[in-house]
Amino acid sequence: KAGVTQTPRYLIKTRGQQVTLSCSPISGHRSVSWYQQTPGQGLQFLFEYFSETQRNKGNFPGRFSGRQFSNSRSEMNVSTLELGDSALYLCASSFEGARETQYFGPGTRLLVL
Amino acid sequence: GNSVTQMEGPVTLSEEAFLTINCTYTATGYPSLFWYVQYPGEGLQLLLKATKADDKGSNKGFEATYRKETTSFHLEKGSVQVSDSAVYFCALSDLGSQGNLIFGKGTKLSVKP
Repeated sequence: KAGVTQTPRYLIKTRGQQVTLSCSPISGHRSVSWYQQTPGQGLQFLFEYFSETQRNKGNFPGRFSGRQFSNSRSEMNVSTLELGDSALYLCASSFEGARETQYFGPGTRLLVL
Repeated sequence: GNSVTQMEGPVTLSEEAFLTINCTYTATGYPSLFWYVQYPGEGLQLLLKATKADDKGSNKGFEATYRKETTSFHLEKGSVQVSDSAVYFCALSDLGSQGNLIFGKGTKLSVKP
């Protein structure tokens, strides 16, 4: 069974731009979560989607948003990029019957210049 | 709120040495506990988990026991290999209040031949 895939793997943007990252969960997994990883703050939860609805949200500004499609694929969007948004963005999927056990993708590394 | 505290690294060991990485947690209720591993340039891989007190999770020679009385989930391996060099994260599930996984800061392990 294929794992979680994320595209693109690397991205360079400039301040003020916006960016969209994509995540395809493991087949059969309907829950998708997003995390931000930085050297200073570590791993922080952004949001979780299930059945095309946001189920949980972390403590991030409204510039960070996401959505989920009917095939469980998810996208996250960051608008008006800031230098501090440079990070590794990780997507994780889980099976609803074992929601707490999350499987992570390789991440998208975003650099904001 | 819920939190996870890991021993600070880096930890440097010789091949075949014994490994312990300490992890303690603060939580209301009885969360599930996890260890994830991150190899350079990659996402997180689930290493092992335990869902209730006294459970022992194990995988690839690594073990950790859920100790409710000491609120700990220390990671151990009897004989490390160079290929175990990575960053290890302890995490707890917090599906109720803060959403999804809460991670420790991570412990970098370097194993020398």
